[in-house]
Amino acid sequence: AQKVTQAQTEISVVEKEDVTLDCVYETRDTTYYLFWYKQPPSGELVFLIRRNSFDEQNEISGRYSWNFQKSTSSFNFTITASQVVDSAVYFCALSGVPSGGGADGLTFGKGTHLIIQP
Amino acid sequence: GAGVSQSPSNKVTEKGKDVELRCDPISGHTALYWYRQSLGQGLEFLIYFQGNSAPDKSGLPSDRFSAERTGGSVSTLTIQRTQQEDSAVYLCASSLPPLGLNEQFFGPGTRLTVL
Repeated sequence: AQKVTQAQTEISVVEKEDVTLDCVYETRDTTYYLFWYKQPPSGELVFLIRRNSFDEQNEISGRYSWNFQKSTSSFNFTITASQVVDSAVYFCALSGVPSGGGADGLTFGKGTHLIIQP
Repeated sequence: GAGVSQSPSNKVTEKGKDVELRCDPISGHTALYWYRQSLGQGLEFLIYFQGNSAPDKSGLPSDRFSAERTGGSVSTLTIQRTQQEDSAVYLCASSLPPLGLNEQFFGPGTRLTVL
């Protein structure tokens, strides 16, 4: 069975601080995909990034960066110089490709509620 | 290009009634997914469609839940004899093939309240 753990339920920082959201996953699939989604107060889930299990390169997109480490089964997300607009619930998710083929829906973590205070 | 749309946005119903939730995916997205988001359970995957076919229905919470998709486009999630524990936000998502590997685009959800 797949599992995604986001141990941080809520994080509160002051604007301009850097913040890292942790994500640890479990899967038996050799091929899998990891995702991060943002859910602002409006409620709609917004896709941020997808990473496949064969690509451990870190990625940077503006103030956002992601650190994927297969050795520790982690896919952490860092926001640099946080802004109030970054306040949202952030979800890490996993999608597997079983060796027998087929696929399934996303397995989500419980989410981390990020609060950026002005 | 329009995103994923869902209707109704809010639904209040009485315990025991049937409800039907609708999802209109992004044009060309053959994969469609239903999720449920509730305070206690977080985001739960319910069912996916590849085209009109739903190969695995084991994620549906009970036999009161059913889903169908016609014409490879619109999908409906039906809950029969609703219970208070069915209260949640029901989210629909769609993606390009291959199934499960591309980013899923989510709709705004239907907030279901069972009184």
